Amino acid sequence: DAGVTQSPTHLIKTRGQQVTLRCSPKSGHDTVSWYQQALGQGPQFIFQYYEEEERQRGNFPDRFSGHQFPNYSSELNVNALLLGDSALYLCASGMGAAPYEQYFGPGTRLTVT
Amino acid sequence: LAKTTQPISMDSYEGQEVNITCSHNNIATNDYITWYQQFPSQGPRFIIQGYKTKVTNEVASLFIPADRKSSTLSLPRVSLSDTAVYYCLVGSNAGNMLTFGGGTRLMVKP
Repeated sequence: DAGVTQSPTHLIKTRGQQVTLRCSPKSGHDTVSWYQQALGQGPQFIFQYYEEEERQRGNFPDRFSGHQFPNYSSELNVNALLLGDSALYLCASGMGAAPYEQYFGPGTRLTVT
Repeated sequence: LAKTTQPISMDSYEGQEVNITCSHNNIATNDYITWYQQFPSQGPRFIIQGYKTKVTNEVASLFIPADRKSSTLSLPRVSLSDTAVYYCLVGSNAGNMLTFGGGTRLMVKP
């Protein structure tokens, strides 16, 4: 039973570019959340998708957008990259609109130069 | 959302019991207390969740006093592989946004 998978593992981008990160939830899960984790800090909630809709959003600008597909997988898009966007981006999946516990993937390490 | 306060770091030795306390003075009636563990370059992993009194699973125990303004995660007989960051989270299960603080960096020494 595969857990949460994310791709790519690492990514290097230049300021101003756009990036797309991908996530496949754990088998049987239908909710996907995205988090940003800066070095030495706890993860910060970006947004959550359920039934292909954004259900809740954290304090992140509109440069951060996402999508959920019918197979429950999800993408995180970040436009006009800033140096401060360099972080570990984590995807978490759960069941239902208010999952009891969430399962995290290994993350995508994004470096913006 | 209730704010949590926990020690920045703790040291322990193999075989000892480790207790990490988290303060959450503004916890709401419908809030649960959840603990996650995170190893370097990995996503956080759910450890345990509770509402009141004591909860125990195969990994840890969670002690919550009657006023619920604090909680203690207890790890029995830690090993080197328990070296990680431990996060205390407080929130309603009706909400789906996990709010992480800075966590406690536990270092287990031989």
